[in-house]
Amino acid sequence: SQTIHQWPATLVQPVGSPLSLECTVEGTSNPNLYWYRQAAGRGLQLLFYSVGIGQISSEVPQNLSASRPQDRQFILSSKKLLLSDSGFYLCAWSHGSGELFFGEGSRLTVL
Amino acid sequence: RKEVEQDPGPFNVPEGATVAFNCTYSNSASQSFFWYRQDCRKEPKLLMSVYSSGNEDGRFTAQLNRASQYISLLIRDSKLSDSATYLCVVPSHAGKSTFGDGTTLTVKP
Repeated sequence: SQTIHQWPATLVQPVGSPLSLECTVEGTSNPNLYWYRQAAGRGLQLLFYSVGIGQISSEVPQNLSASRPQDRQFILSSKKLLLSDSGFYLCAWSHGSGELFFGEGSRLTVL
Repeated sequence: RKEVEQDPGPFNVPEGATVAFNCTYSNSASQSFFWYRQDCRKEPKLLMSVYSSGNEDGRFTAQLNRASQYISLLIRDSKLSDSATYLCVVPSHAGKSTFGDGTTLTVKP
């Protein structure tokens, strides 16, 4: 069966520090991969999605970037965090049917 | 207008009540729709999918009205464990999905 792992689960970072969140999928190949962010009490905002290795589409201009170095690995990064980057970050995969499978999320607090 | 709009609630209902949430969408070309459930501080999980006029799974019924561009989720005989936020999701092109902001349900004893 397919599984998705995301880490770290929780992190507290100072403003201006770098960020790296990692997500891996197991049990499937060539998945569509997504990074979402959820602000408190709000819905999910799509940040990046990828349909293949090295293919990244950005939905929202910001100081975040994403990379897909391997088929089932998706990384979210920032060189310098802002206070507004705080939130709940969710990685997800799908096979294009519309149904999304989420990782357990990474809760980021920028101080 | 937002692509996907939901009544944020909150809905506070007693156990055993029937409650319905609505979700409107703007893309008339959308063919499939989803309801996800999200517990506090957890990831969303698929509750139901809707591909035609509707879908029923136990106490849960999802209905689609293409003419008016809305989908609904009906929960019968509410349980305490149904307390959560319910997210309406509308897939678009290139495998992307647009999420509503969610409707919060609290079922009280």
